[in-house]
Amino acid sequence: QQPVQSPQAVILREGEDAVINCSSSKALYSVHWYRQKHGEAPVFLMILLKGGEQKGHDKISASFNEKKQQSSLYLTASQLSYSGTYFCGTEILRGGATNKLIFGTGTLLAVQP
Amino acid sequence: DAGVTQSPTHLIKTRGQQVTLRCSPKSGHDTVSWYQQALGQGPQFIFQYYEEEERQRGNFPDRFSGHQFPNYSSELNVNALLLGDSALYLCASSLLLVQETQYFGPGTRLLVL
Repeated sequence: QQPVQSPQAVILREGEDAVINCSSSKALYSVHWYRQKHGEAPVFLMILLKGGEQKGHDKISASFNEKKQQSSLYLTASQLSYSGTYFCGTEILRGGATNKLIFGTGTLLAVQP
Repeated sequence: DAGVTQSPTHLIKTRGQQVTLRCSPKSGHDTVSWYQQALGQGPQFIFQYYEEEERQRGNFPDRFSGHQFPNYSSELNVNALLLGDSALYLCASSLLLVQETQYFGPGTRLLVL
């Protein structure tokens, strides 16, 4: 039931681009992307809702393919501050009220100078 | 605007003891969810509280219990601690009926010896 993220880890040079994928075996209502630095709490990046559009701010954007139950996070022109572990949190059903998030396996991103 | 706060930040206990962790949600939020994050893993959902009632529960034993107070703050109690309970415990707050994400607190790192 846990979403699978790929790749497991990626190393970039500053300025390079990366794509992180999140794939679920269950029909999804929403996908939430978080970044977590070592020893800290997850920080919210963006949420994609079923039927919604691709989202983005600054150089980070994401898409949600409802038919394939997949979401992708796009990091453009990476900066050192982008380093951390990225998690997708998936919400299966809503029924009008917030549901639990089921987190993916995580992707470790390291940006080098 | 205060974000999600948790106390204590760190805790060391021995096997068999009991522990209580505390969480204050973001101002204006009415729902509190608790997650356990083992080292190198994504957060795992424990349970969620709304209107002082446990609304949803993950796959955790009855040793894990909680409470929500009228001011929306929450406690997580773990009885008969096991070595495997060592983890980062995260509290996340949200608004139940709003299509928004969950915001995480800094977490409480529990070490069971």
